[in-house]
Amino acid sequence: QVQLVQSGAEMKTLGASVKISCKASGFTFPSSTMHWMRQAPGQSLEWLGWINAGNGNTKYSPNFQGRVTITRDTSASTAYMELRSLESKDTAVYFCARASSQCKSGTCSYFFDSWGQGTLVTVSS
Amino acid sequence: SSELTQDPAVSVALGQTVRITCQGDSLTIYYASWYQQKPGQAPLLIIYGENNRPSGIPDRFSGSSSGNTASLTITGAQAEDEADYYCNSRHSSGGHYVFGAGTTVTVL
Repeated sequence: QVQLVQSGAEMKTLGASVKISCKASGFTFPSSTMHWMRQAPGQSLEWLGWINAGNGNTKYSPNFQGRVTITRDTSASTAYMELRSLESKDTAVYFCARASSQCKSGTCSYFFDSWGQGTLVTVSS
Repeated sequence: SSELTQDPAVSVALGQTVRITCQGDSLTIYYASWYQQKPGQAPLLIIYGENNRPSGIPDRFSGSSSGNTASLTITGAQAEDEADYYCNSRHSSGGHYVFGAGTTVTVL
C-alpha cells in the first residue's frame, strides 16, 4: 500500500535551517509529484511547493520563494524539504503528500491522495 | 489570508445533514478537493473531482460544485465525522495551490 514516512521532530533556533525527509513506498516514486504543506498550531494548512520526482522540476509558493527548496533522491524514493532562515512563525507541523489528478469534460481536479504522518518543527530563540 | 473562503464552523445534529461550502475564483477552473482532519492526525482525502470518494470513504460524504462554489455534504452525520474540513484547489494563475481556512464540524 502507499506509504509516506517522514523524519522525526526537529527543534531549531532562529535563523537556522531545517531539512525534512519523506520516504515513499508502495508506488512508483519517479512517476509521482510530491507536495509539501505545513500547519501552524491551530491554523489552516498552507501549501509550500511541489517537485516532479521524475525530472526534478519544482514549483514554490510565492510566500516561501527563496527560502524553501524541495529535492528528491529517486534511488531512495525520498523527497526532501529544506526551509532556511527560520523564524518563530515557522513553528508548525510539516506534511508531505503525493499528488494525483483527474480530468473530466475539460475540467481537472488536482488532489493529495496520500499524506505523511507529519513532522513537528519548533523554532525558538 | 486564504483565497478559498470557508465558514469557520458549523454544527449538525446526529443523523442530520450538513453542507460545507468553499468559494473562490479558482473553482471556476478547477474542481476542489476536500480533506478531513482530526486532532493530531494528517489530513485525509475524502472528495475529489466532480464527486469522487477514495476507497474506504463512506458514501454519506458527497461533493458538488456550481460556479465559484464547491460544497461538501455529509448526509446522516455520525459522531466520528466531527473534525476539521479543508477545501483545496490549484490556483487560478498557475501551478501553485491554495487551501481554505477550514470548517470545524461539530456533531451534536
